[in-house]
Amino acid sequence: ETGVTQSPTHLIKTRGQQVTLRCSSQSGHNTVSWYQQALGQGPQFIFQYYREEENGRGNFPPRFSGLQFPNYSSELNVNALELDDSALYLCASSQGTSFTGELFFGEGSRLTVL
Amino acid sequence: DQQVKQNSPSLSVQEGRISILNCDYTNSMFDYFLWYKKYPAEGPTFLISISSIKDKNEDGRFTVFLNKSAKHLSLHIVPSQPGDSAVYFCAAPRGGNQFYFGTGTSLTVIP
Repeated sequence: ETGVTQSPTHLIKTRGQQVTLRCSSQSGHNTVSWYQQALGQGPQFIFQYYREEENGRGNFPPRFSGLQFPNYSSELNVNALELDDSALYLCASSQGTSFTGELFFGEGSRLTVL
Repeated sequence: DQQVKQNSPSLSVQEGRISILNCDYTNSMFDYFLWYKKYPAEGPTFLISISSIKDKNEDGRFTVFLNKSAKHLSLHIVPSQPGDSAVYFCAAPRGGNQFYFGTGTSLTVIP
């Protein structure tokens, strides 16, 4: 059984650029959630995808967008990068969207915007 | 607006002693709470949860206490071990398995 994997692990972009982060969910999981963890902060919910549809969104602007594919892997896209987008982006997978007591997180993608 | 707050950024405890990590919340409608633990360069991992209909939940060395009138929960680790050194986040549901996380408390257990 493979866990949640994210790529890339680290990347550096400049303001105004676009970035795509990728997440492979744990085997058997059909739901992917994305969180942003800025330095010194807790993870903040960006959005969740369930069966290829967005299922809930946090307080993030539309330049944060996502996709989920038929194999339940997911992408997070951020357009027009700003300095404040520098953060650790965490992906979490689960089976379904109801409370199960556990999300399975990947190690994260650390984005630095210069 | 922080729905879940952890006011202590860090805590140091001697090995074998009790660690107490605190969390406050604003919404009395939250019906369960979770604690996650995070080691450097790893994703958070689930530790323990508590339903709002309970005031205590225990799992081995870890116990979570919930005081609904004070909108406060705490995680007790007894006895603390060096391997418990990590960042601990409390979390509350914004719906289903989507969560508000606190800012975290970095626990250091000194051998």
